[in-house]
Amino acid sequence: NAGVTQTPKFQVLKTGQSMTLQCAQDMNHNSMYWYRQDPGMGLRLIYYSASEGTTDKGEVPNGYNVSRLNKREFSLRLESAAPSQTSVYFCASSMDLLPYEQYFGPGTRLTVT
Amino acid sequence: EDQVTQSPEALRLQEGESSSLNCSYTVSGLRGLFWYRQDPGKGPEFLFTLYSAGEEKEKERLKATLTKKESFLHITAPKPEDSATYLCAVDNYGQNFVFGPGTRLSVLP
Repeated sequence: NAGVTQTPKFQVLKTGQSMTLQCAQDMNHNSMYWYRQDPGMGLRLIYYSASEGTTDKGEVPNGYNVSRLNKREFSLRLESAAPSQTSVYFCASSMDLLPYEQYFGPGTRLTVT
Repeated sequence: EDQVTQSPEALRLQEGESSSLNCSYTVSGLRGLFWYRQDPGKGPEFLFTLYSAGEEKEKERLKATLTKKESFLHITAPKPEDSATYLCAVDNYGQNFVFGPGTRLSVLP
């Protein structure tokens, strides 16, 4: 089992460009999440999907959109990238919403210039 | 506002020198507290879940404990491979975790 996979691993964008971060899990989990991690701060939730067909905003959703394509895949889109979105992005999945533990992907390091 | 803090921010130990990391939380309700390990350039890896005060869990050189206001991650006789950032996260009966900022542990040979 690959667990949670993310693509790409690294990306550099210019301000105003758009991109989609891809995430897939092979653990048959119902719930999936997108986080960002910035130096000195805890992981912050951007969006989550409790189950296939549903998505909800987390703590910091502005500037992002998501799509739960099917049970395995959950993508994060930046429509018009800004330097404040420079961060490391992690996708995670869990059997269901809390209190189940979450399993994380390897991350995407995004730089917006 | 629910909050999770961790101390110290960074800790350097000699191999074999035992110590503890702290996770303090102020939340309206606690359903569970989770510990994760994060290696540089990687995603967090699940370690433990604690549900009630007085509960303890162990895994190799790590032991996690929980009180009503904080959790400790005790590291006994650490090895260099224990070097990582340790994150705690709280389930406050919300839909998602509240994460702490982490403690960066370095174990020197």
